[in-house]
Amino acid sequence: AQSVTQLGSHVSVSEGALVLLRCNYSSSVPPYLFWYVQYPNQGLQLLLKYTTGATLVKGINGFEAEFKKSETSFHLTKPSAHMSDAAEYFCAVSNQAGTALIFGKGTTLSVSS
Amino acid sequence: ETGVTQTPRHLVMGMTNKKSLKCEQHLGHNAMYWYKQSAKKPLELMFVYNFKEQTENNSVPSRFSPECPNSSHLFLHLHTLQPEDSALYLCASSQGSASGGMVETQYFGPGTRLLVL
Repeated sequence: AQSVTQLGSHVSVSEGALVLLRCNYSSSVPPYLFWYVQYPNQGLQLLLKYTTGATLVKGINGFEAEFKKSETSFHLTKPSAHMSDAAEYFCAVSNQAGTALIFGKGTTLSVSS
Repeated sequence: ETGVTQTPRHLVMGMTNKKSLKCEQHLGHNAMYWYKQSAKKPLELMFVYNFKEQTENNSVPSRFSPECPNSSHLFLHLHTLQPEDSALYLCASSQGSASGGMVETQYFGPGTRLLVL
């Protein structure tokens, strides 16, 4: 069965520092992988997704993620954190039937000045 | 109105009440979803509708009853809920597929914050 593990429920960085949010998945079929962001009192917004093709995926707000099949990972990075990046981030993988997404527990990113 | 909207945004109900959550999407999509988001737990998929047909029911208790009258509207009818049902209920939509496979971007509404007393 498909599953997602996000390492670290809370990550704190300083403004301008590198952001690294970790996501590992298990999937019995070639996965489709997603990162979503949730700001307080809002729904989830897509940051980026990997389906096929290039393994380095660029998303909105300067975020990118790299699909590494050998490591079953899809970590999210941003070279320089901004205060507005403070939010909760969710990694997701498609289910086996390709009909829905399975989400990780989320990682809360805090950014200090 | 654009995107996915949900009403009400907040709801407090007793365990004997009956209430309904409403979701509307203005994106021309054909698939709609209900998720439950509880503190410290992953988002839980509850129901999926594709072209108005329910394609997933993720072992949800019968006190939750979905309804999808058309591709733009999705309801979640609630009755005799328990305090542990208190959560944020998120609706999402995606393009959908007549063949059933529909792993594409899902667009989420802001959610309904439900408190069951």
